[in-house]
Amino acid sequence: SAVISQKPSRDICQRGTSLTIQCQVDSQVTMMFWYRQQPGQSLTLIATANQGSEATYESGFVIDKFPISRPNLTFSTLTVSNMSPEDSSIYLCSVNDREVNTEAFFGQGTRLTVV
Amino acid sequence: AQSVTQLGSHVSVSEGALVLLRCNYSSSVPPYLFWYVQYPNQGLQLLLKYTSAATLVKGINGFEAEFKKSETSFHLTKPSAHMSDAAEYFCAVSGRGYGNKLVFGAGTILRVKS
Repeated sequence: SAVISQKPSRDICQRGTSLTIQCQVDSQVTMMFWYRQQPGQSLTLIATANQGSEATYESGFVIDKFPISRPNLTFSTLTVSNMSPEDSSIYLCSVNDREVNTEAFFGQGTRLTVV
Repeated sequence: AQSVTQLGSHVSVSEGALVLLRCNYSSSVPPYLFWYVQYPNQGLQLLLKYTSAATLVKGINGFEAEFKKSETSFHLTKPSAHMSDAAEYFCAVSGRGYGNKLVFGAGTILRVKS
């Protein structure tokens, strides 16, 4: 298994600002994922972050709004840019260590409120 | 598009009663299947997973699930509910039919009555 630490655990931000969320894993992993969980809803994949290449975004998510960094095999960041109240969600980092997603471990999430 | 359906957004059981949370998937290729639990204000915890080995999978906290290919189902059960089981449960699938990405169902909130 993998232990994932996310920071911050929660934040309240002003609209128009940006927040960078950090995800640290206790072991080297090939693939890292960022999810959004809007209030009362399920998880939606934002993007897949691979070390050494551009992140791959899912339909409805763009790099300008959610830039991602993956500088090494144990760390990634997700930035929520130019925030609006609609961005209020829980953002979760997830990892697996195989090409085929046979298991996924999640961080505790970052609860973001935009006012 | 491939999908995961969880029947019932809310399920209520009495303490000590059987828990049954339903999950059906749509894929022509047998997927990998997962159940996660999310307690209030916490992240997701893996309960159990099916990855093409035994069709009856035992997980943590007394939960188990059975993969039934003919019914494209992976229902989660627990013989006797405990108050601490109250949480939201997510079924998820992955594999070739899903682009090797983890796709989540809408979730089922389990309420346990005393």
